[in-house]
Amino acid sequence: ETGVTQTPRHLVMGMTNKKSLKCEQHLGHNAMYWYKQSAKKPLELMFVYSLEERVENNSVPSRFSPECPNSSHLFLHLHTLQPEDSALYLCASSQRTGDNEQFFGPGTRLTVL
Amino acid sequence: QKEVEQDPGPLSVPEGAIVSLNCTYSNSAFQYFMWYRQYSRKGPELLMYTYSSGNKEDGRFTAQVDKSSKYISLFIRDSQPSDSATYLCAIAPNAGGTSYGKLTFGQGTILTVHP
Repeated sequence: ETGVTQTPRHLVMGMTNKKSLKCEQHLGHNAMYWYKQSAKKPLELMFVYSLEERVENNSVPSRFSPECPNSSHLFLHLHTLQPEDSALYLCASSQRTGDNEQFFGPGTRLTVL
Repeated sequence: QKEVEQDPGPLSVPEGAIVSLNCTYSNSAFQYFMWYRQYSRKGPELLMYTYSSGNKEDGRFTAQVDKSSKYISLFIRDSQPSDSATYLCAIAPNAGGTSYGKLTFGQGTILTVHP
């Protein structure tokens, strides 16, 4: 595997379910990010991790819970989501925290019923 | 007022056409300007990165920045069907290395180049 990978690519869940999104970067980068991409809206930064430490939580509801066990892996734990949370969730990484060149994974298309 | 405004299109052009994609921004503190390209079912990838006002060319692509007007453009010459994608402008206040990657993205313009 190369670059940034994300699993699953598609996820359908009910509002009472608990699920997790996984991201892995194979680039040796030190920073990882979660973004939300909704139709007709700009990319929204959700969380930033630098060397496994969360450095930014962009006013994201607590039903989204990130976890970064090491510098290569990033998870987004989901519980009691709402239909408006349906979106494409993108993971990205960069060499240093705050770098403008970020490398994105293909995303997880999430549908909340 | 949104920090970055980008016409979402969609934009449809014939192969070989010159394409112009544009964004405006409101805060003069933004100093770094990027264009990301996103193919269907893929994540965005960095296409062009510029700092100063003026033009930066890379093959068929030219990024143009006018800081006085707070206006950035991406031109694609001799457009190809393989250029069909969503183009996202992104702006940042600094070069990076701060505590977080605070890129501000435009909405994205959907471009289709038909043969």
